[in-house]
Amino acid sequence: DAGVTQSPTHLIKTRGQQVTLRCSPKSGHDTVSWYQQALGQGPQFIFQYYEEEERQRGNFPDRFSGHQFPNYSSELNVNALLLGDSALYLCASSQTRGAGDTQYFGPGTRLTVL
Amino acid sequence: GQQVMQIPQYQHVQEGEDFTTYCNSSTTLSNIQWYKQRPGGHPVFLIQLVKSGEVKKQKRLTFQFGEAKKNSSLHITATQTTDVGTYFCAGPDSGYSTLTFGKGTMLLVSP
Repeated sequence: DAGVTQSPTHLIKTRGQQVTLRCSPKSGHDTVSWYQQALGQGPQFIFQYYEEEERQRGNFPDRFSGHQFPNYSSELNVNALLLGDSALYLCASSQTRGAGDTQYFGPGTRLTVL
Repeated sequence: GQQVMQIPQYQHVQEGEDFTTYCNSSTTLSNIQWYKQRPGGHPVFLIQLVKSGEVKKQKRLTFQFGEAKKNSSLHITATQTTDVGTYFCAGPDSGYSTLTFGKGTMLLVSP
């Protein structure tokens, strides 16, 4: 049973470019959440997708957008990259049962913006 | 919004010494979760505490949830080098299964 997978593992972009990160949830999970983890910080919630819709959003600008597909996989898109977007982007999957369900994290995508 | 604070930010111990990290939330939590992140890795779920005053043990790790459900602690007895990593507590935001994480406590264990 595969856990949460993410691609790519590492990515280097320059300011102003756009990036797409991908996530496949753990088998049986229907909810995908995205987090940004800057160096030395805890993960910060970006948004959550359920039933192919953005269900909840954290304090991130509209440059951050996402999508969930019918197979529950998800993408995170970031437009007009800034140096401050350099971080580890974590995808977490869960089953929708209520607040605080255990989140299973993927290995993350390390994004570097030059 | 909800804030989760952890102390200390960093602790360096000798192998065999005990270690404790503390977590405080600005709001009452329905539950609290603990995660461990090894250097270069991703957060891995350790445990979830739900009940007021709950205490759970996992081998050398002891987790407590405060009576007011606003604070929690993780205590490691007789640390080992395999305990190295950053320990995060996280509380759910109201409504859905999203989490607010503390900044974590980085534990370094010297042999």
